Order: sequence, then C-alpha cells, then structure tokens
Amino acid sequence: DTEVTQTPKHLVMGMTNKKSLKCEQHMGHRAMYWYKQKAKKPPELMFVYSYEKLSINESVPSRFSPECPNSSLLNLHLHALQPEDSALYLCASSRLYSSPADTQYFGPGTRLTVL
Amino acid sequence: GESVGLHLPTLSVQEGDNSIINCAYSNSASDYFIWYKQESGKGPQFIIDIRSNMDKRQGQRVTVLLNKTVKHLSLQIAATQPGDSAVYFCAETLVLGSGNTGKLIFGQGTTLQVKP
Repeated sequence: DTEVTQTPKHLVMGMTNKKSLKCEQHMGHRAMYWYKQKAKKPPELMFVYSYEKLSINESVPSRFSPECPNSSLLNLHLHALQPEDSALYLCASSRLYSSPADTQYFGPGTRLTVL
Repeated sequence: GESVGLHLPTLSVQEGDNSIINCAYSNSASDYFIWYKQESGKGPQFIIDIRSNMDKRQGQRVTVLLNKTVKHLSLQIAATQPGDSAVYFCAETLVLGSGNTGKLIFGQGTTLQVKP
C-alpha cells in the first residue's frame, strides 16, 4: 500500500480563520513533506520532517505552522492566511530522508481557498 | 541554476501513438531523476525513476532516457491511451550539504492530451 491520505479535500477559509490540514501514511515512512502547488505550476517544497523533526523550512511565512505528532501524521496549521495562499497543498512521504532514491509518494492534496 | 525545465507545455498525440516528453535539467551534479504523472484533481503519481549512472530504464509501457552530456531527460510512453492524459513532471534530486539529501526540484510540466 503506497497511500498517503489528506483531509479535508477542499477547504474555504477567511483571512481571520484558523484551520488545519491533516496528512496520514501507514507505510512506515520516516520522512514527510508539505508542498504548495499553484494552478498549472509544479509543486514547491515547504517543509520536510525527518524522524518527526523539522529538517527543512523553505522560508515559509509563519502563518503556516507544521506539526508532526508521530511518525504517521503530519499537520499544517493555518492562521491569518492571505488570498494568494490559495493553492493545492500536497503532502508526501518517503522511507527516509537520507537517500535521493527514496521515492516520495504524494497524497491527493487539499484544495485551499482563502477569501 | 537549479531549474529543471520541460521543452513543451502541451503535447497532443493520437491514441495508440507513442509519446515522447522531454525535459532539460541544469544541475550536472544531480544524481537521481524521476517522472511523475498528475491527473486532474490528484496528487503527483510516481511513474519511473533513473539514476545518473544509467542511460535507460524501462517500465511497463514507459521508458526513461537520460543523456548526461546534454543534460536531457525524456519519457517515452508506448501506445498512448486516453488514461495517459495528465500533466507530466520531471524532477531531479538536489543533493544538499550537511548530510541532507532528497530535495526534489520539479520541472514546469508538460500536459499530455490524447486524442481518440
């Protein structure tokens, strides 16, 4: 099973709301990722967690706050977002973050709209 | 630079024909290359990968070719089917320092349209 699940599928929020995106995998992967994808563009890396610790933050604004409560779960907490943050947010996981050959498996994404 | 690019934003092929999707990369130190397929409303799906010490790798109906001399990557799809319609992204793994590896850099994507 190479499934990464994400909830919710769609999210509409106002600029003053607080919401969270959730990601789950049961493949025993120890690396998990958040990507942002705008329409007709490639995914852009936001965060990398390795063994539940934040390894990479690609200079993402603090209104995005990641959390990795355990090896299977990854959250992205959202607060005071801007309309330009509207995008598809993708979660991915890989066996490890120590080998370039560890394939990243992506979830279906959460389509976020900020009003 | 660290960009991975594709030559054509859109490719239209007839059902049953072979498709060739091209990608140029700029980082000669990249060690690992991947092709992903992204259908509408879905996340990218792994298709096939190739390491820099290989020139060619075959999967089921797909072949990836790597030409390191000109830093060119291609994906060939045999007997293209309507279900192959999607956006195809090439990606390279950028090796970072300090023991970190695995940062995936995506190209801009090619939309494959399969005409019945």
